[in-house]
Amino acid sequence: KAGVTQTPRYLIKTRGQQVTLSCSPISGHRSVSWYQQTPGQGLQFLFEYFSETQRNKGNFPGRFSGRQFSNSRSEMNVSTLELGDSALYLCASSSGTSDQETQYFGPGTRLLVL
Amino acid sequence: SQQGEEDPQALSIQEGENATMNCSYKTSINNLQWYRQNSGRGLVHLILIRSNEREKHSGRLRVTLDTSKKSSSLLITASRAADTASYFCATQRSGNTPLVFGKGTRLSVIA
Repeated sequence: KAGVTQTPRYLIKTRGQQVTLSCSPISGHRSVSWYQQTPGQGLQFLFEYFSETQRNKGNFPGRFSGRQFSNSRSEMNVSTLELGDSALYLCASSSGTSDQETQYFGPGTRLLVL
Repeated sequence: SQQGEEDPQALSIQEGENATMNCSYKTSINNLQWYRQNSGRGLVHLILIRSNEREKHSGRLRVTLDTSKKSSSLLITASRAADTASYFCATQRSGNTPLVFGKGTRLSVIA
């Protein structure tokens, strides 16, 4: 099976702009989770989508939003970018139906906000 | 907030030596998982240990879990230069809840 793919891999934006990141899960996986990784805060959970519905949400401001399509592909959007949004954004997929599941991570999108 | 805290933050050893990393957490869990990350890339799952398990092995990896102390350890035996990476523990409180990651241990294996 193909792994989790994320596009784009690198992105440079300026403050105030918005950005959309995309994640394609492993075929058959219905759950997609998004994480932000920074040197200071580590890996922080953003949100999880399962069958097109947001199932879990982390503690991030409303500027961070996401959605999932019927083919399980997911996008996350960050509006009004701030310098502090510079980070590696990782998505992970799983079947979403077991309570003891591993997650399969994509390579990440590295976002730099200038 | 971070649930798991790894110790040490950084570890440097010679090839062939064993590496031990520890993880402590704060609340009750359903399972604990260990992941590896190479140079700011995606995470790779290493092993999952359930809350009712005490020890688990996978190749050169050995994981222990002590729920009474809310701690886990990851042992990598006979380390190789290719094991150089950051290692994260992640806890899951119950089914279908998010994984909560610690800040990781940066392991350097010197050939």
